[in-house]
Amino acid sequence: GAVVSQHPSRVICKSGTSVKIECRSLDFQATTMFWYRQFPKQSLMLMATSNEGSKATYEQGVEKDKFLINHASLTLSTLTVTSAHPEDSSFYICSAPTTKSGGVYNEQFFGPGTRLTVL
Amino acid sequence: GENVEQHPSTLSVQEGDSAVIKCTYSDSASNYFPWYKQELGKRPQLIIDIRSNVGEKKDQRIAVTLNKTAKHFSLHITETQPEDSAVYFCAASRGGGGNKLTFGTGTQLKVEL
Repeated sequence: GAVVSQHPSRVICKSGTSVKIECRSLDFQATTMFWYRQFPKQSLMLMATSNEGSKATYEQGVEKDKFLINHASLTLSTLTVTSAHPEDSSFYICSAPTTKSGGVYNEQFFGPGTRLTVL
Repeated sequence: GENVEQHPSTLSVQEGDSAVIKCTYSDSASNYFPWYKQELGKRPQLIIDIRSNVGEKKDQRIAVTLNKTAKHFSLHITETQPEDSAVYFCAASRGGGGNKLTFGTGTQLKVEL
């Protein structure tokens, strides 16, 4: 249990276009999901917290008009990179918290990531 | 906000030796400290975690210690194997495992034959 999927796994786009990334919790409901960005050989940096039924909370320095987040349902959050530029090329990973089957405590379950390359 | 520092950035050990990675955090309200292993191009995988009501936790060859007073926690891997080679990240969070994570900068572990 506790599987998180992402789609697409890899996307290449031209500069100036918009790209949508989906994050789904397959076997549990997630009122909150988190979006991280990871540049090559660097750590994961939180971009925003996606909240079902309300606006996302963005971390300092993350442009909310450029990185649009929509938490459409209890199992789906989307991140849209608008007017993408080469500097947006990165590995985007989502996570959602839940308990493991039979568990008591929450832990984060990560999606497999989306590799975005902007030409 | 929370700041997590991690050392060393690279670590090379001989197979069978132990490896230790250390992290410090700044937010005294943090109460959840997971460790992740990440292979190139893959998602982070939780290998062990510790909560602030516990000082030490062990799972086979892996152990984590937490010193709340000093605000640091460490990952210990014993009897290292080549398949342990990967990047390891520590992280910290308030509100248990259900809240956002602040990650350390990562440690590239290489286990040599």
